[in-house]
Amino acid sequence: QSVLTQPPSASETPGQRVTISCSGNSSNIGSNTVNWYQQLPGTAPKLLIYSNNQRPSGVPDRFSGSKSGTSASLVISGLQPEDEADYYCGAWDDSLNGRWVFGGGTKLTVL
Amino acid sequence: QVQLVQSGPEVKKPGSSVKVSCKVSGGTFRSHVITWVRQAPGQGLEWMGRIVPVFGAVTYAQKFQARVTITADEVMSTAYMELSSLTTDDTAVYYCARLKSESAALYIDYWGQGTLVTVSS
Repeated sequence: QSVLTQPPSASETPGQRVTISCSGNSSNIGSNTVNWYQQLPGTAPKLLIYSNNQRPSGVPDRFSGSKSGTSASLVISGLQPEDEADYYCGAWDDSLNGRWVFGGGTKLTVL
Repeated sequence: QVQLVQSGPEVKKPGSSVKVSCKVSGGTFRSHVITWVRQAPGQGLEWMGRIVPVFGAVTYAQKFQARVTITADEVMSTAYMELSSLTTDDTAVYYCARLKSESAALYIDYWGQGTLVTVSS
């Protein structure tokens, strides 16, 4: 059972927009910034969004993030076939002497 | 550019221990916070702990507290994660990664390539 809650799956057709949600509580998302990771099959996760809505260099602006209260969202616009991957949210959690927590992951299928 | 290069795959017997290394290049090693994350086959990401080499401070996830040890060798610019009392449930890919602190933001930015640890009798 993951501390952060994500839908297990999402799907959309190429060119469309998809939103992936991430729900937490006051000790994680409510008091710390949220980050998003993309994991392609057989590879290490890659940082997609940090500090709620910042894109690292090289990440297309089709990817955007937001946070409100104890929830966050990742939006992918203009979906492309290569966006098919697993997406994870992650944040620091202030409980239990501090720990990093992840969502359970959302498998995105581009139809 | 920070790079993390991990040791190779391991096959272990139940009850034994495994030690995975993570060599860090780029920047100053003692300024990096190194964290360990594992991923069982077909499962999500699970945080295990972190080390702050400049202070020698270590934080472990409660689940692994009793049997994980994370260390760092500044001379070798290498971090280590040792997990003891292995069971088949510990079969997973183990990643090291850098945990970056920037203003109010805390995020994992660079990841190692992963080390597959297989526990089998």
